[in-house]
Amino acid sequence: EDQVTQSPEALRLQEGESSSLNCSYTVSGLRGLFWYRQDPGKGPEFLFTLYSAGEEKEKERLKATLTKKESFLHITAPKPEDSATYLCAVQARNGSEKLVFGKGTKLTVNP
Amino acid sequence: KAGVTQTPRYLIKTRGQQVTLSCSPISGHRSVSWYQQTPGQGLQFLFEYFSETQRNKGNFPGRFSGRQFSNSRSEMNVSTLELGDSALYLCASGPAMGQFFGPGTRLTVL
Repeated sequence: EDQVTQSPEALRLQEGESSSLNCSYTVSGLRGLFWYRQDPGKGPEFLFTLYSAGEEKEKERLKATLTKKESFLHITAPKPEDSATYLCAVQARNGSEKLVFGKGTKLTVNP
Repeated sequence: KAGVTQTPRYLIKTRGQQVTLSCSPISGHRSVSWYQQTPGQGLQFLFEYFSETQRNKGNFPGRFSGRQFSNSRSEMNVSTLELGDSALYLCASGPAMGQFFGPGTRLTVL
């Protein structure tokens, strides 16, 4: 069974304090790994898709990396507006659009 | 380009009732997926529709059902509501590679 585990569950940072979020996964043939950001009361907002080990993608203060077993979301010099829940999901190579999500990491960045 | 629309945004029902939620995907998208989000379980896949056909279904009881219309709009129905059905129900438009989520319908079962 495809599975995604995210750690830590919650993370508090000071503004400017860089850190990383972890996403460990098991999937029967990875088609893609996705990172989303979710703000309270809203639907998830797409951030990145990674397809193969060694791939990296960046967007502003965020950088996502992928290995064969896990993905990291690195946050460099975060700002309070980066506070949100970050979700990781995988899609298996089985022809379905189904995503299997982790439970997320709730990030709080204090000014 | 208009985003994904879900109606209603909030619903309060009592146990035993049934509920219908609606999702209008982004224009041109033929794929719609539904997810249930709860604090304990996170986002869990309910079902996926493409061109009016259900292509995949998650591990939910038969009380959860859905359909898709020829204009790609989708509805999901939950019959005989239970307290545990209280959740945020999210609709996702498009293939996973470029999927956009709606704001969700917050269902509260009393």
